[in-house]
Order: sequence, then structure tokens, then C-alpha cells
Amino acid sequence: DAGVIQSPRHEVTEMGQEVTLRCKPISGHNSLFWYRQTMMRGLELLIYFNNNVPIDDSGMPEDRFSAKMPNASFSTLKIQPSEPRDSAVYFCASSHGVSNQPQHFGDGTRLSIL
Amino acid sequence: RKEVEQDPGPFNVPEGATVAFNCTYSNSASQSFFWYRQDCRKEPKLLMSVYSSGNEDGRFTAQLNRASQYISLLIRDSKLSDSATYLCVSGNQFYFGTGTSLTVIP
Repeated sequence: DAGVIQSPRHEVTEMGQEVTLRCKPISGHNSLFWYRQTMMRGLELLIYFNNNVPIDDSGMPEDRFSAKMPNASFSTLKIQPSEPRDSAVYFCASSHGVSNQPQHFGDGTRLSIL
Repeated sequence: RKEVEQDPGPFNVPEGATVAFNCTYSNSASQSFFWYRQDCRKEPKLLMSVYSSGNEDGRFTAQLNRASQYISLLIRDSKLSDSATYLCVSGNQFYFGTGTSLTVIP
């Protein structure tokens, strides 16, 4: 069975550029989560969707960050404009239902903003 | 916001030892918890689910203490391959602890 698929695996870009991260959840999962992981702050929830609807975006750090889920099999996380402090590993995860279900993570996108 | 807190360690233990980690949580309404294992430069992977008082899977035992609001992970007969970071999370809060680093030494 295919797991959560994220792309790209690595992204290196200059500050000010737009960055788009992509995620395909596990088929049949109706909840999708975006996380950011850094050494300093650990694994932080940015936003999560249930049935393609954003439920909680309180973790999105700034207006420069936006996320969409146009359908059940695709989501994007966009940063515009990017800044060096956005450098981190961004994980997407999906689960059956929102509460009390384990999440399954993608391989992550390693983002470096120069 | 620290919904879940863990001792970051590191825990350095010899092969064959028994080691336990605790994870405290602040929301008494939390109904489920999960332990994840994360290897260096990899994604978190589900290790154990805890829905009631506890769960056991081979060398791994997870227990939930609702009165004191903590969950624990016990690893018996540690293997070198158990070296990783162990993360806990509340099932209805989605806030992960910062993780506990374990190194099993030959």
C-alpha cells in the first residue's frame, strides 16, 4: 500500500522565492496534517484538514504561509515570500478521522532557504 | 503551548537493559495517546497506540496513568536497533512532545 507521498524531498531556494510543498495522503484517509520540525522547536502542527476543510490553522506562523486541500488526494503548503528562518523539515501526515487515530507520516520535505 | 512534555534525555543504556520514558500531558480530556519512533533524518513512525490503561507489544509496553496524567513507554531487553528518538502525542490534540533520545550502547 502506498503511504503518504510528499514532494519534493529536498528544496533549496533563495529567500524571497515562493515555495510550494505537496502531499498526497493515504487513500481513504480523510484527515491531513502539516507539521514543521526544527531542532529548536521540535515537531509543530501547522494546520490540519478534515474532509478537505481546514479545521485548525492556528499553528500557521504567519500570513506568508498558506495551505489548501482542493480534493481528498492532494494538499499543498505554500510559503511566499520565503525567509531563511523557514528552513526546516516539513512533514505531511494523514489519518482515518480526526481524533484518536494514529497519523501516518510522509518522508518529509527538507527545505533550506538561503 | 506545552500540551505534552517529555524528558529530552539523552538516555544512554547498555544492550539488554530495561529503559522507561515518561510523557506528561496537561489536558485531562485526552482519550488516546500514541508513541512514535523517529530515526535520524527520517519521518516519525507509529510504535504503539494507548487507548485505555495500557498496551504491550513484544518488548515494548505502554501504560497510561490518568490520575497523574502521564503515559510511559517501557523497553525491555534493549537492542542496538532501538536507538532513536521517541515521541509521544495526544490523540485528539496533535501536539507532539519534543522527544526523548535513546542510545543503546554495545
